[in-house]
Amino acid sequence: ETGVTQTPRHLVMGMTNKKSLKCEQHLGHNAMYWYKQSAKKPLELMFVYSLEERVENNSVPSRFSPECPNSSHLFLHLHTLQPEDSALYLCASSQESQRGYEQYFGPGTRLTVT
Amino acid sequence: KQEVTQIPAALSVPEGENLVLNCSFTDSAIYNLQWFRQDPGKGLTSLLLIQSSQREQTSGRLNASLDKSSGRSTLYIAASQPGDSATYLCAVRLLTSGSRLTFGEGTQLTVNP
Repeated sequence: ETGVTQTPRHLVMGMTNKKSLKCEQHLGHNAMYWYKQSAKKPLELMFVYSLEERVENNSVPSRFSPECPNSSHLFLHLHTLQPEDSALYLCASSQESQRGYEQYFGPGTRLTVT
Repeated sequence: KQEVTQIPAALSVPEGENLVLNCSFTDSAIYNLQWFRQDPGKGLTSLLLIQSSQREQTSGRLNASLDKSSGRSTLYIAASQPGDSATYLCAVRLLTSGSRLTFGEGTQLTVNP
């Protein structure tokens, strides 16, 4: 595996379900991100983890709960979601000590909340 | 608050044409600017990264320029091909925003054979 991988690629869940999205980076980076991409809207940054510590949380509802157990893995735990949470969820990583901070993205998880 | 605007929202061209995509941003205190490509339903692929001290970057048929003082960047695609069809996104990182990227809404490009 190379780059940034995400599982599952597609997820359909009811509003009362609990599910988790997983992201893994194979680039040796030390920062990871969750973004939300909704139709006709720019990408929105949700969470940032740097050195496994959450450094940014952009007013995201508590029904989204991130977890970063180590620098290679990032999870997004979902519970009691709303239909408007249907979107493409993208994970990214970067090496924060490296000038440039270029972010590399995974393929995304397409989430549909019914 | 940094705002990023991309014009046009959609563009359709015949194969072989040279084209320019535009990105403008309101806060010129940026660290860098990144151009991405996104295929339908897929993640983002980084194309070019321009540091604030640079004027342009080139990769193959792609050339990105940056004019920080006027808050503009352009992505030039030479000799376009049907495989270039995708949505192109620009994103800026401010000096004061840590690792946060602010994205534009993208330009949807279609190159017709």
